[in-house]
Amino acid sequence: AQKITQTQPGMFVQEKEAVTLDCTYDTSDPSYGLFWYKQPSSGEMIFLIYQGSYDQQNATEGRYSLNFQKARKSANLVISASQLGDSAMYFCAMRPPPSSGGSYIPTFGRGTSLIVHP
Amino acid sequence: GAGVSQSPRYKVAKRGQDVALRCDPISGHVSLFWYQQALGQGPEFLTYFQNEAQLDKSGLPSDRFFAERPEGSVSTLKIQRTQQEDSAVYLCASSQKETQYFGPGTRLLVL
Repeated sequence: AQKITQTQPGMFVQEKEAVTLDCTYDTSDPSYGLFWYKQPSSGEMIFLIYQGSYDQQNATEGRYSLNFQKARKSANLVISASQLGDSAMYFCAMRPPPSSGGSYIPTFGRGTSLIVHP
Repeated sequence: GAGVSQSPRYKVAKRGQDVALRCDPISGHVSLFWYQQALGQGPEFLTYFQNEAQLDKSGLPSDRFFAERPEGSVSTLKIQRTQQEDSAVYLCASSQKETQYFGPGTRLLVL
């Protein structure tokens, strides 16, 4: 069974500073994908970044980067130059790729609430 | 381009009432997922479609929950005889490959 753990219920960061949101995972599948989503107070889940388990390089998307450490089973999200609009819930999630032949049921963590203050 | 849309955005139901929640996925997306998100929690998987086939419904909490996607595009999640514990946000997501794209959700409140 897959499991995602986000140990930080809440994080505070000052505007323009970088922040790291932690995510650890557990799975017996050899092939999997890791995702981060942002959920502002409006409720919509916004896709941020994806990392495949066989990708050699850490994923980056603009100000977002994923610090993927496979041996430690961690997939931390790094947000550089925080903005006030980054204040939201952030969810780490895992699912196997559709072609893996394994279970396709995605698993989400409980989320981390990020507050960016001026 | 159009994203995933859901309707209604908000629904208040009396306990025992039946409700139907609609999801319009991104055009051409084969996979469609339904999730239930309780306050302060992450989304919990309910069911999954690939085209019109419901490949997994193991997350549906009871036989009062039913989902369909008859033509492989629009999907409806139906909850019969709603209970107060059904109050949550119901999220729909669609995907073509690895990444799921979510709709805005339907906030259901059962009184």
